Amino acid sequence: EAQVTQNPRYLITVTGKKLTVTCSQNMNHEYMSWYRQDPGLGLRQIYYSMNVEVTDKGDVPEGYKVSRKEKRNFPLILESPSPNQTSLYFCASSAQRVEAAFFGQGTRLTVV
Amino acid sequence: GNSVTQMEGPVTLSEEAFLTINCTYTATGYPSLFWYVQYPGEGLQLLLKATKADDKGSNKGFEATYRKETTSFHLEKGSVQVSDSAVYFCALKPNSGGSNYKLTFGKGTLLTVNP
Repeated sequence: EAQVTQNPRYLITVTGKKLTVTCSQNMNHEYMSWYRQDPGLGLRQIYYSMNVEVTDKGDVPEGYKVSRKEKRNFPLILESPSPNQTSLYFCASSAQRVEAAFFGQGTRLTVV
Repeated sequence: GNSVTQMEGPVTLSEEAFLTINCTYTATGYPSLFWYVQYPGEGLQLLLKATKADDKGSNKGFEATYRKETTSFHLEKGSVQVSDSAVYFCALKPNSGGSNYKLTFGKGTLLTVNP
């Protein structure tokens, strides 16, 4: 079954404690990206990757890092989380530029 | 830059009512257009798409037509069901102009259908 898998689904952490949200896709897609969803703001892109070792900033990259060492994985790293990073995060992947994206189930992160 | 504007709702309808959720966009060139649906507690799922002007996307009784002249992609369904209750997102994806073919989303419209 084609899918994008994120872990964990829910996470509560404290300010400053480094965390990683994993994302994996089994469709051999080149393009992957991270979004955050906030009430009244919709979804905003954090980072994206066109292929292995190729990543770039989206609209709201501050406070986040990513890496793309393998085609299937695209982890999101928060080196020093802050409360304003409390949000619902989605990973997405797609095969080509005009193709629709597949989304993961989401990770609800709370930073206290 | 690119932008998507959709009616924010919430929209509350009775079962079997007609649904329209308006979506207009601003973009250079000819983007691909999408409607995504997010059921409670779940991720976004593609509902339908259109990749060029005058295309009609359809799925599960929902339809939307890519109107280049009015830069619109309104979502419609003739008879909604309780199971259609969800948040609906209109989105566009550029087909040119760089390497970041990111989705630009509207803010979402919450639809509640009552029995």
